[in-house]
Amino acid sequence: ETGVTQTPRHLVMGMTNKKSLKCEQHLGHNAMYWYKQSAKKPLELMFVYNFKEQTENNSVPSRFSPECPNSSHLFLHLHTLQPEDSALYLCASSQGLVTNEQFFGPGTRLTVL
Amino acid sequence: DAKTTQPPSMDCAEGRAANLPCNHSTISGNEYVYWYRQIHSQGPQYIIHGLKNNETNEMASLIITEDRKSSTLILPHATLRDTAVYYCIVRPHAGGTSYGKLTFGQGTILTVHP
Repeated sequence: ETGVTQTPRHLVMGMTNKKSLKCEQHLGHNAMYWYKQSAKKPLELMFVYNFKEQTENNSVPSRFSPECPNSSHLFLHLHTLQPEDSALYLCASSQGLVTNEQFFGPGTRLTVL
Repeated sequence: DAKTTQPPSMDCAEGRAANLPCNHSTISGNEYVYWYRQIHSQGPQYIIHGLKNNETNEMASLIITEDRKSSTLILPHATLRDTAVYYCIVRPHAGGTSYGKLTFGQGTILTVHP
């Protein structure tokens, strides 16, 4: 257990569906991250939040919409996704941005049909 | 961030030491070497980091060459549960405009066999 939980662990959705991924950290951290890991590809950073404010959007398509209501929770809202968006979506947290020690959740395996 | 080069895969016998190399010949003076691993179907896990001195913690040891152009992660007594992808990442320790941006490469797939 890393102190970072993600729900759901698996999600199958159609291209016209709207769904949300949830991440919660119980570590008292201030920074949270979304990563995408496609098959046979390295992890790609998507978004960074620090004290609820977005500090990084790594050119992510608008069909992915993050939300950070407080330092402990991070959401990724999904709508009109494409099959190529199927991937493992990982959430991470850290004690601020001045550290490279990030704690990752187990991920949500997303399949877009 | 400095580019890193790792072998795509390695094998190790259970109970033996696993030595995972990483080349980072373009490393800058303010850049640290970080190691993470990702066990199948889990998120990455931080292992260790160092600047120029050798480091050891409860999980592993990190040996950095004197010229800092390469390093080796050592798992002293590998177990089957150490089978994972191991990532070597080089970046500044803190601050700057690239904070928080861990860049993962392809890593090394370590297989520990009985």
